[in-house]
Amino acid sequence: GAGVSQSPRYKVAKRGQDVALRCDPISGHVSLFWYQQALGQGPEFLTYFQNEAQLDKSGLPSDRFFAERPEGSVSTLKIQRTQQEDSAVYLCASSERASGDTQYFGPGTRLTVL
Amino acid sequence: QQQVKQSPQSLIVQKGGISIINCAYENTAFDYFPWYQQFPGKGPALLIAIRPDVSEKKEGRFTISFNKSAKQFSLHIMDSQPGDSATYFCAASRAGGATNKLIFGTGTLLAVQP
Repeated sequence: GAGVSQSPRYKVAKRGQDVALRCDPISGHVSLFWYQQALGQGPEFLTYFQNEAQLDKSGLPSDRFFAERPEGSVSTLKIQRTQQEDSAVYLCASSERASGDTQYFGPGTRLTVL
Repeated sequence: QQQVKQSPQSLIVQKGGISIINCAYENTAFDYFPWYQQFPGKGPALLIAIRPDVSEKKEGRFTISFNKSAKQFSLHIMDSQPGDSATYFCAASRAGGATNKLIFGTGTLLAVQP
């Protein structure tokens, strides 16, 4: 009965470094979402996977952001050449069905770029 | 463009009182409206959700009221308790689309005083 897990929980990067954030969705969940939450704001959509297919990446803020879910389970969000404006909490959520509504969120990864 | 507007930004309620948070949306294609509760350092957790075919949904102390014509919905927390102190987010999505991404409001910080 494990929920969505994310690692690392905290990441400090120097500006210009590359980072990789991992999401383990609920087992068997078809849909996986990444959101970015700035301090004091609501989460904002980044990208969506249905199984291994990335069907929507309209929220990715720049081409420095890349996400993958190669086997339709674990997903990785990669940010290249991090900038200070990338500092935020990155949330992963999963949903049981392709057209399902209920999204279950992980605890997030807090990224701080110095 | 802020598609979901939430108010108030913060709210102080006495223990046992009623907490009311309001949201308004613009996109008439939205057909799923959840409320999430978020504690510091945690991911958002689904509280209750409603579809526009009903005007009210109640689960325990939490009630959603929905006004389709006004494009507004609200969360009522009855008998508010100090443990309810958290940030609350309304959200909206269009189920059945290619992406059931959630569009979040900006959040309401609720403090329930003992």
